[in-house]
Amino acid sequence: DTGVSQDPRHKITKRGQNVTFRCDPISEHNRLYWYRQTLGQGPEFLTYFQNEAQLEKSRLLSDRFSAERPKGSFSTLEIQRTEQGDSAMYLCASSLDSRGDTQYFGPGTRLTVL
Amino acid sequence: AQSVTQLGSHVSVSEGALVLLRCNYSSSVPPYLFWYVQYPNQGLQLLLKYTSAATLVKGINGFEAEFKKSETSFHLTKPSAHMSDAAEYFCAVSLHNTDKLIFGTGTRLQVFP
Repeated sequence: DTGVSQDPRHKITKRGQNVTFRCDPISEHNRLYWYRQTLGQGPEFLTYFQNEAQLEKSRLLSDRFSAERPKGSFSTLEIQRTEQGDSAMYLCASSLDSRGDTQYFGPGTRLTVL
Repeated sequence: AQSVTQLGSHVSVSEGALVLLRCNYSSSVPPYLFWYVQYPNQGLQLLLKYTSAATLVKGINGFEAEFKKSETSFHLTKPSAHMSDAAEYFCAVSLHNTDKLIFGTGTRLQVFP
């Protein structure tokens, strides 16, 4: 069990650029979640997948954000036309299928938009 | 809408003292409840969770929490603090019909020698 991995760990970009983050869940986990955490706050839910199906998206997620999990394994989160307000830690988590299963978190990708 | 309130953004204790971190939730239906810990520059790690079984839940590193429906609380305790417990602690809830976690704003625990 290698845990949840995320790449890159840090990303610095200029306002208006597009960025893409990758998450590799624990291999047997069917559910994959994205959260965003800003300084001094708890993580906020963005979206989640059951296998390759995206089952829920937060109303916080603007049209500039898109997530995919094409083969039900790894996932990508893309932010188009980044804004300074997008600066945050983006966290990925994965879990098994049942309600209440533990979500295991990756180390996160820290995004800084200049 | 469900929410989580963590009273006290910072808690300081002496090494060996009792640790008490407070968490209250708002939900008409008892949710699943979780405590996560975040060490500097590390990901969130589950300490313990409540999923409708025993109301007193024991977790890792000597932590435990008690689910009290009448008080809508799920406070985290540890009898004797260690220096290594210094970290950020997050309480989270999820309802039975959704899997997303709703987190509190966190409590930073400092432990003094």
